[in-house]
Amino acid sequence: NAGVTQTPKFRVLKTGQSMTLLCAQDMNHEYMYWYRQDPGMGLRLIHYSVGEGTTAKGEVPDGYNVSRLKKQNFLLGLESAAPSQTSVYFCASSLRGAFTDTQYFGPGTRLTVL
Amino acid sequence: AQSVAQPEDQVNVAEGNPLTVKCTYSVSGNPYLFWYVQYPNRGLQFLLKYITGDNLVKGSYGFEAEFNKSQTSFHLKKPSALVSDSALYFCAVREGNTDKLIFGTGTRLQVFP
Repeated sequence: NAGVTQTPKFRVLKTGQSMTLLCAQDMNHEYMYWYRQDPGMGLRLIHYSVGEGTTAKGEVPDGYNVSRLKKQNFLLGLESAAPSQTSVYFCASSLRGAFTDTQYFGPGTRLTVL
Repeated sequence: AQSVAQPEDQVNVAEGNPLTVKCTYSVSGNPYLFWYVQYPNRGLQFLLKYITGDNLVKGSYGFEAEFNKSQTSFHLKKPSALVSDSALYFCAVREGNTDKLIFGTGTRLQVFP
């Protein structure tokens, strides 16, 4: 099992550019999450999904969109990148809710917006 | 609103000494509390959780955490620190009745030889 994988690992964007981060899990988990990690702020939830075809907003959803067309994939999109979106992005998945089951995290994507 | 606080940005401890990483929480209702660890350039890994039952929870890598309701704390402990324990530790709490966790800001543990 690869667990949770994220593509790409690193990316540099210019302000206004768009990109999509891909998260894939091979554990047949229902729940998937996107977080951003910033110094001194811990992890903050951007969006999450409780199953294929569903998405919901987290704590900091503005400027991001997500899609869960397939159970194993959870995409995070930035339509028009801003320097404030410079961060490390983590995807996670769990079989059921995050309080019931362990969240498994991907290795992260380091994004810099110039 | 639910929240967790990690009052220390960094904890330094000598190898072989006991370690404590502090976490306090604020919830309405029963708390569901978690500890995760992040090693350099890696994603977070689950260490342990408290849902109900015994106040002393044992987890991975020899870590344990003590739930204290009167002090609203959930401190992470280990009797004898290893250099390899050096990492970033996050406390988290379940957000209400949702499937989401609220993470603290993290505490960097540095174990020196």
